[in-house]
Amino acid sequence: DIQMTQSPSTLSASVGDRVTITCRASQSINSWLAWYQQKPGKAPKLLIYKASTLGSGVPSRFSGSGSGTEFTLTISSLQPDDFAIYYCQQYNTYSGTFGQGTKLEIK
Amino acid sequence: QLQLQASGPGLVKPSETLSLTCTVSGGSISTSSYYWGWIRQPPGKGLEWIGSIYYSGSTYYNPSLKSRVTISVDSSKTQFSLKLGSVTAADTAVYYCASVADTSGHVDYWGQGMLVTVSS
Repeated sequence: DIQMTQSPSTLSASVGDRVTITCRASQSINSWLAWYQQKPGKAPKLLIYKASTLGSGVPSRFSGSGSGTEFTLTISSLQPDDFAIYYCQQYNTYSGTFGQGTKLEIK
Repeated sequence: QLQLQASGPGLVKPSETLSLTCTVSGGSISTSSYYWGWIRQPPGKGLEWIGSIYYSGSTYYNPSLKSRVTISVDSSKTQFSLKLGSVTAADTAVYYCASVADTSGHVDYWGQGMLVTVSS
């Protein structure tokens, strides 16, 4: 099975900062990668799919890149609403695997 | 817009079977556009893909859970279901049902999440 590894596990940043989260797959997944944001007590929310396609209604400060085994999620200018946990997820033949999550906290 | 609603017991005894049903509204469950999945999240932990089913009946199960999991679909009722056998406290989690876009594998819509506690 494909394993997904996110880094860092925790990221401290300030409003207005540019931040990047990395997700690595244990084998090539082409561009079959999605990113989600989760806040306490809520279901995850889709941000990015197919590695770089912005989800519906997602602010343009979020962007994704990468292919193969290495992917990044970038937030260009952090807003107060962005402090949350972020997960990557790969897709391979009806199955999915999530990364362990990155907690984005206020510095 | 699809809506998914999970239902079932919130408390299950150890060694018994956890059974949840997800009702889909706002669209057809017999569509090639989506497959239907179950994802769980233990308290304070990350997300785990349990398994998924296509409208044709094709299934995928997480290898770590495969021996205990069955996912089925009832198109007439626009529902799909999860059964997880021989549960232990480690199966305590929020269980989400989800629609997964067939073309790219991302979760388009999530159910509200349902906490299932395994305890005697």
